[in-house]
Parts: sequence; structure tokens; C-alpha cells
Amino acid sequence: KQEVTQIPAALSVPEGENLVLNCSFTDSAIYNLQWFRQDPGKGLTSLLLIQSSQREQTSGRLNASLDKSSGRSTLYIAASQPGDSATYLCAVLSLVTSGSARQLTFGSGTQLTVLP
Amino acid sequence: NAGVTQTPKFQVLKTGQSMTLQCAQDMNHEYMSWYRQDPGMGLRLIHYSVGAGITDQGEVPNGYNVSRSTTEDFPLRLLSAAPSQTSVYFCASSYEGQRTYEQYFGPGTRLTVT
Repeated sequence: KQEVTQIPAALSVPEGENLVLNCSFTDSAIYNLQWFRQDPGKGLTSLLLIQSSQREQTSGRLNASLDKSSGRSTLYIAASQPGDSATYLCAVLSLVTSGSARQLTFGSGTQLTVLP
Repeated sequence: NAGVTQTPKFQVLKTGQSMTLQCAQDMNHEYMSWYRQDPGMGLRLIHYSVGAGITDQGEVPNGYNVSRSTTEDFPLRLLSAAPSQTSVYFCASSYEGQRTYEQYFGPGTRLTVT
């Protein structure tokens, strides 16, 4: 059964810092890995998707890397801003254990606070 | 495109009541799924469907029913609501013909069972 872990659970940094969020997963047989952002009381916003054949993806100040063999991904946020404060969720897409369909397995998230 | 839509946004039920959470997508996606999100537990898969007429159970299916009569709609039914079903429910969809299999999420339904 796929399990996804995110460390740290919470992180507080001053504005302007570069930071790294970590995600690890137990089964390397994945289709892709997605990073989401969730603001309090809101839905999920997709930030980056890395296919299993890719090593990294970039969007603006965000860079996500994937090391499938070691079961790890990192989300790098450059020059953090107070508006980046949110919960960041990592999710991997893999086969459902008992079937042929695909399933997203989520980590519990990292709650990020960027202090002005 | 409206993307993935969910109704209602908020709902309060009494224990034992039944209700249906609606989910619709206008992207012609074959794959649709329901997740629940509880504090400290991330999102967990309840049920999923790979196409009209085909559904299957996820990680936490007990107490929920689904059906998929059309490609667009994937309603989630709570048969007899329990306080343990207080949660935020998200519906998602993806296009199976696209090799990225990117998942698109709806805005969620906040359900409280008293």
C-alpha cells in the first residue's frame, strides 16, 4: 500500500527566505507526483505535476524535483512571500492495490507560514 | 469550461439522515473520484469510477454509495449519516487518454453531522 509522508508538518520562516518542503513515498511505481496548495477553508490548487519519467518541474518561484528510485520529492520555494502562507500537499498517483485503476495518495501536508 | 463543480458548499445533517453530494465535470473526463479530508489525515479515497457504469471502492467506502450513469456526473450518497462522516469532501476528475493523468479538484463540500 502506498504511503506518503511530508516533513515538516509545519514551518515558519521570515519573508524572503528560500525554503524546501519534503515528501517521501514508499512505492516507487508511480505515474506522477503532484504538489497542491490549500488555503484555509478552501479547495486544492494544483501547483506542479511531475511525470514519473521527469526529474523536475518549474513554475515561477516554485521548483519541484522527483527522485523516483529513492521515493522522494522536494518543493523549493524561492524568495518566500506572506502570500505563500498555506498548506502544501504532496500526492502520488499509482495503481489501486486491488484493481487496475489509478489512485492519488496524499501526504498530511506542510503548513507554511511566511512572516512579514 | 466550469471544470469540476460540487454542490452544496456547506451542509448540516442530523444523525441518521441521508443526502447526496453532487459532483459534475464538463471536461469529458473518464475518471472521477471522491475524497474526504480530515484534520491531520490528508485526503483519503472513498470511491472512484473509470467510466459511466463502472464504480469501485477506495480506502474508506463504508457508509457511502456512488453511481455513474453519465460521464459528467458522479454523485456521492450518504445512506445514514453519522458524526464520523463530518468532513470536507472533494471530487476530482482526470482524462485517461492524457499520459500526465493530472487530477482536477472541485471546491469541496463541508459536511457537519450532529
